Amino acid sequence: DAGITQSPRYKITETGRQVTLMCHQTWSHSYMFWYRQDLGHGLRLIYYSAAADITDKGEVSDGYVVSRSKTENFPLTLESATRSQTSVYFCASSELRAAAYEQYFGPGTRLTVT
Amino acid sequence: AQSVTQPDIHITVSEGASLELRCNYSYGATPYLFWYVQSPGQGLQLLLKYFSGDTLVQGIKGFEAEFKRSQSSFNLRKPSVHWSDAAEYFCAVGADNDMRFGAGTRLTVKP
Repeated sequence: DAGITQSPRYKITETGRQVTLMCHQTWSHSYMFWYRQDLGHGLRLIYYSAAADITDKGEVSDGYVVSRSKTENFPLTLESATRSQTSVYFCASSELRAAAYEQYFGPGTRLTVT
Repeated sequence: AQSVTQPDIHITVSEGASLELRCNYSYGATPYLFWYVQSPGQGLQLLLKYFSGDTLVQGIKGFEAEFKRSQSSFNLRKPSVHWSDAAEYFCAVGADNDMRFGAGTRLTVKP
């Protein structure tokens, strides 16, 4: 199916574990993004990527790692999960070559760190 | 960097009543402006956007928004709310290769 998908949709992990959230888009959009959504903060940018092998930090990147070896995939890894990383994570993509244009969002991954 | 403020955390309106959700931004020039809607358990969906031109923009689901440069505002409106409009609404501002989202306004619709 065309669009942007995220997996898993729900994840519970323990403090200190490594966890990877997957994001896949079928539009061949250049830009991809990872956000976290927390009550009272709206969406905050974690990382973004302008193209394959080009990534850059966002507002809240500490504790996260990304890669983008293929245009369609943009995995987000929490190297050593902490309770403060409990959140809902959204992946997004943009067809235009700028982070300032409209973005298309995946359904989200709800991550709980115990 | 630009910033965006949604002053109302939660709004309750009766079905059939009119709606206005407020959004104010801070940026030196005119940014790109967006409203997104998030239904429970879902991702964000674009309602409408403003890049330039006519300051009153129409979106999906009967929503419209008006850009007012003098007030640095981009308020979302709907003349008659339906129960299915209950959701979280986010204003977003794009500029300088960056997008910033407001904290959101949760809309409750009373029968």
